[in-house]
Amino acid sequence: GDSVTQMEGPVTLSEEAFLTINCTYTATGYPSLFWYVQYPGEGLQLLLKATKADDKGSNKGFEATYRKETTSFHLEKGSVQVSDSAVYFCALTRRSGNTPLVFGKGTRLSVIA
Amino acid sequence: DVKVTQSSRYLVKRTGEKVFLECVQDMDHENMFWYRQDPGLGLRLIYFSYDVKMKEKGDIPEGYSVSREKKERFSLILESASTNQTSMYLCASSLLDRGTYFGPGTRLTVT
Repeated sequence: GDSVTQMEGPVTLSEEAFLTINCTYTATGYPSLFWYVQYPGEGLQLLLKATKADDKGSNKGFEATYRKETTSFHLEKGSVQVSDSAVYFCALTRRSGNTPLVFGKGTRLSVIA
Repeated sequence: DVKVTQSSRYLVKRTGEKVFLECVQDMDHENMFWYRQDPGLGLRLIYFSYDVKMKEKGDIPEGYSVSREKKERFSLILESASTNQTSMYLCASSLLDRGTYFGPGTRLTVT
Protein backbone atom coordinates (compact mmCIF):
# COMPACT_ATOMS: atom_id res chain seq x y z
CA GLY A 1 0.00 0.00 0.00
CA ASP A 2 0.89 3.65 -0.08
CA SER A 3 3.34 4.88 2.53
CA VAL A 4 5.40 7.88 3.54
CA THR A 5 8.76 7.84 5.28
CA GLN A 6 10.20 10.98 6.80
CA MET A 7 13.30 11.61 8.83
CA GLU A 8 12.99 11.03 12.51
CA GLY A 9 13.39 13.87 14.90
CA PRO A 10 13.67 15.74 16.95
CA VAL A 11 15.59 18.28 14.96
CA THR A 12 17.10 21.19 16.87
CA LEU A 13 18.43 24.20 14.99
CA SER A 14 19.63 27.67 15.85
CA GLU A 15 17.70 30.63 14.53
CA GLU A 16 18.59 31.50 10.89
CA ALA A 17 19.94 28.01 10.19
CA PHE A 18 19.02 26.07 7.03
CA LEU A 19 16.36 23.42 7.40
CA THR A 20 15.88 20.19 5.47
CA ILE A 21 13.38 17.52 6.46
CA ASN A 22 13.57 14.49 4.20
CA CYS A 23 10.47 12.74 2.92
CA THR A 24 10.16 9.81 0.54
CA TYR A 25 7.06 7.97 -0.55
CA THR A 26 5.78 4.74 -2.03
CA ALA A 27 2.61 4.93 -4.05
CA THR A 28 0.94 3.61 -7.15
CA GLY A 29 0.20 6.10 -9.87
CA TYR A 30 0.81 9.78 -9.39
CA PRO A 31 -0.04 10.94 -5.90
CA SER A 32 -0.41 14.49 -4.69
CA LEU A 33 2.12 15.39 -2.00
CA PHE A 34 1.69 17.63 1.02
CA TRP A 35 3.45 19.07 4.02
CA TYR A 36 1.35 19.79 7.08
CA VAL A 37 2.47 21.64 10.20
CA GLN A 38 1.18 21.26 13.74
CA TYR A 39 1.98 24.02 16.20
CA PRO A 40 1.83 23.22 19.92
CA GLY A 41 -1.72 22.63 21.10
CA GLU A 42 -3.25 22.95 17.66
CA GLY A 43 -4.55 20.79 14.82
CA LEU A 44 -2.77 20.29 11.50
CA GLN A 45 -2.51 23.08 8.95
CA LEU A 46 -1.65 22.67 5.32
CA LEU A 47 1.78 24.21 4.71
CA LEU A 48 2.28 23.47 1.03
CA LYS A 49 1.44 20.97 -1.66
CA ALA A 50 2.44 19.73 -5.12
CA THR A 51 0.24 17.76 -7.46
CA LYS A 52 2.56 16.62 -10.24
CA ALA A 53 6.19 15.84 -10.95
CA ASP A 54 8.61 18.79 -10.81
CA ASP A 55 6.00 21.03 -9.17
CA LYS A 56 7.37 23.17 -6.37
CA GLY A 57 5.13 24.02 -3.46
CA SER A 58 6.00 27.04 -1.34
CA ASN A 59 4.59 28.96 1.58
CA LYS A 60 5.96 31.10 4.45
CA GLY A 61 9.53 30.63 3.17
CA PHE A 62 9.22 26.84 3.06
CA GLU A 63 9.65 24.96 -0.22
CA ALA A 64 9.40 21.37 -1.45
CA THR A 65 9.79 19.93 -4.95
CA TYR A 66 7.96 16.84 -6.20
CA ARG A 67 10.72 14.53 -7.47
CA LYS A 68 9.21 11.53 -9.18
CA GLU A 69 12.56 9.97 -10.11
CA THR A 70 13.62 9.78 -6.46
CA THR A 71 10.06 9.57 -5.03
CA SER A 72 10.89 12.41 -2.69
CA PHE A 73 9.36 15.64 -1.41
CA HIS A 74 11.94 17.16 0.94
CA LEU A 75 10.97 20.25 2.93
CA GLU A 76 13.45 23.14 3.02
CA LYS A 77 13.69 26.60 4.49
CA GLY A 78 16.66 28.91 4.14
CA SER A 79 16.47 30.63 7.52
CA VAL A 80 14.34 29.23 10.32
CA GLN A 81 12.80 31.27 13.11
CA VAL A 82 11.81 30.36 16.64
CA SER A 83 8.18 30.57 15.52
CA ASP A 84 8.81 27.65 13.11
CA SER A 85 9.08 25.27 16.06
CA ALA A 86 6.40 22.66 15.40
CA VAL A 87 5.82 19.13 14.18
CA TYR A 88 5.96 18.68 10.41
CA PHE A 89 4.13 15.90 8.59
CA CYS A 90 4.68 14.74 5.04
CA ALA A 91 1.59 13.18 3.41
CA LEU A 92 0.22 11.91 0.14
CA THR A 93 -3.08 11.18 -1.46
CA ARG A 94 -4.01 9.74 -4.81
CA ARG A 95 -4.79 12.47 -7.28
CA SER A 96 -7.74 10.71 -8.81
CA GLY A 97 -10.23 10.67 -6.03
CA ASN A 98 -11.25 11.24 -2.51
CA THR A 99 -8.82 8.90 -0.82
CA PRO A 100 -7.62 9.82 2.64
CA LEU A 101 -4.24 11.31 3.35
CA VAL A 102 -1.46 8.90 4.25
CA PHE A 103 0.97 10.47 6.70
CA GLY A 104 4.55 10.03 7.73
CA LYS A 105 5.28 9.83 11.44
CA GLY A 106 6.12 13.48 11.80
CA THR A 107 9.32 15.36 12.57
CA ARG A 108 9.52 17.67 15.56
CA LEU A 109 11.52 20.82 14.93
CA SER A 110 12.82 23.02 17.73
CA VAL A 111 14.44 26.33 16.86
CA ILE A 112 16.45 28.04 19.57
CA ALA A 113 17.36 31.72 19.67
CA ASP B 1 -12.33 30.01 5.74
CA VAL B 2 -13.13 26.35 6.17
CA LYS B 3 -13.88 25.52 9.74
CA VAL B 4 -13.79 22.10 11.32
CA THR B 5 -14.87 22.05 14.94
CA GLN B 6 -14.64 19.28 17.48
CA SER B 7 -16.93 19.12 20.48
CA SER B 8 -14.23 18.98 23.15
CA ARG B 9 -10.56 19.87 23.39
CA TYR B 10 -9.99 17.67 26.42
CA LEU B 11 -12.00 14.71 27.66
CA VAL B 12 -11.49 12.31 30.55
CA LYS B 13 -13.50 9.08 30.62
CA ARG B 14 -13.49 5.89 32.61
CA THR B 15 -12.76 2.43 31.26
CA GLY B 16 -15.91 0.83 29.85
CA GLU B 17 -17.76 4.08 29.20
CA LYS B 18 -19.33 4.80 25.84
CA VAL B 19 -17.66 7.88 24.38
CA PHE B 20 -18.88 10.16 21.61
CA LEU B 21 -16.55 12.52 19.77
CA GLU B 22 -18.35 14.98 17.56
CA CYS B 23 -17.03 16.80 14.52
CA VAL B 24 -18.76 19.46 12.42
CA GLN B 25 -17.58 21.17 9.23
CA ASP B 26 -19.15 24.23 7.66
CA MET B 27 -18.02 24.03 4.02
CA ASP B 28 -20.33 21.38 2.59
CA HIS B 29 -17.44 18.93 2.21
CA GLU B 30 -18.38 15.45 1.11
CA ASN B 31 -15.47 13.66 2.75
CA MET B 32 -14.81 13.41 6.45
CA PHE B 33 -12.15 11.52 8.36
CA TRP B 34 -11.16 10.48 11.86
CA TYR B 35 -7.50 10.00 12.73
CA ARG B 36 -5.74 9.30 15.97
CA GLN B 37 -2.32 10.76 16.69
CA ASP B 38 0.19 9.08 18.96
CA PRO B 39 3.84 9.97 19.62
CA GLY B 40 6.16 8.06 17.33
CA LEU B 41 3.28 6.68 15.27
CA GLY B 42 2.08 9.80 13.49
CA LEU B 43 -1.53 9.95 12.31
CA ARG B 44 -3.42 6.75 11.71
CA LEU B 45 -6.77 6.60 9.95
CA ILE B 46 -9.64 5.14 11.96
CA TYR B 47 -12.68 5.65 9.69
CA PHE B 48 -13.74 7.87 6.85
CA SER B 49 -16.91 8.76 5.02
CA TYR B 50 -17.56 9.89 1.46
CA ASP B 51 -21.20 10.74 1.93
CA VAL B 52 -24.07 10.75 4.35
CA LYS B 53 -24.68 7.32 5.87
CA MET B 54 -21.57 5.94 4.17
CA LYS B 55 -18.49 4.81 6.04
CA GLU B 56 -15.26 3.03 5.28
CA LYS B 57 -12.80 1.40 7.65
CA GLY B 58 -9.37 2.89 7.87
CA ASP B 59 -6.22 1.27 9.17
CA ILE B 60 -7.23 0.88 12.83
CA PRO B 61 -11.04 0.61 13.13
CA GLU B 62 -11.11 -1.95 15.96
CA GLY B 63 -12.90 -0.64 19.02
CA TYR B 64 -14.47 2.28 17.14
CA SER B 65 -17.59 2.98 15.15
CA VAL B 66 -18.82 6.09 13.33
CA SER B 67 -22.04 7.80 12.39
CA ARG B 68 -22.80 10.27 9.63
CA GLU B 69 -26.47 11.17 9.60
CA LYS B 70 -25.92 14.67 8.20
CA LYS B 71 -23.37 15.87 5.70
CA GLU B 72 -21.75 18.34 8.07
CA ARG B 73 -21.41 16.04 11.07
CA PHE B 74 -19.25 12.96 11.61
CA SER B 75 -19.21 11.26 14.97
CA LEU B 76 -16.66 8.83 16.35
CA ILE B 77 -17.92 6.36 18.94
CA LEU B 78 -15.89 4.33 21.38
CA GLU B 79 -18.32 1.60 22.36
CA SER B 80 -16.45 0.63 25.53
CA ALA B 81 -13.47 2.86 26.16
CA SER B 82 -10.17 1.25 27.09
CA THR B 83 -6.92 2.75 28.34
CA ASN B 84 -5.18 1.99 25.03
CA GLN B 85 -7.58 4.42 23.38
CA THR B 86 -6.03 7.31 25.27
CA SER B 87 -4.86 9.51 22.43
CA MET B 88 -5.32 12.70 20.44
CA TYR B 89 -8.21 12.40 17.98
CA LEU B 90 -8.26 14.56 14.90
CA CYS B 91 -11.22 15.09 12.60
CA ALA B 92 -10.79 16.34 9.04
CA SER B 93 -12.86 17.13 5.98
CA SER B 94 -12.15 17.56 2.29
CA LEU B 95 -13.75 18.12 -1.11
CA LEU B 96 -12.09 16.41 -4.08
CA ASP B 97 -8.54 17.77 -4.48
CA ARG B 98 -9.16 21.07 -2.73
CA GLY B 99 -7.25 20.17 0.37
CA THR B 100 -7.94 18.46 3.66
CA TYR B 101 -8.78 20.63 6.68
CA PHE B 102 -8.33 19.55 10.25
CA GLY B 103 -10.07 20.37 13.49
CA PRO B 104 -8.10 21.33 16.62
CA GLY B 105 -8.21 17.82 18.05
CA THR B 106 -9.66 16.18 21.13
CA ARG B 107 -7.23 14.86 23.70
CA LEU B 108 -8.96 11.87 25.26
CA THR B 109 -7.73 10.25 28.45
CA VAL B 110 -9.26 6.96 29.53
CA THR B 111 -8.58 6.04 33.16
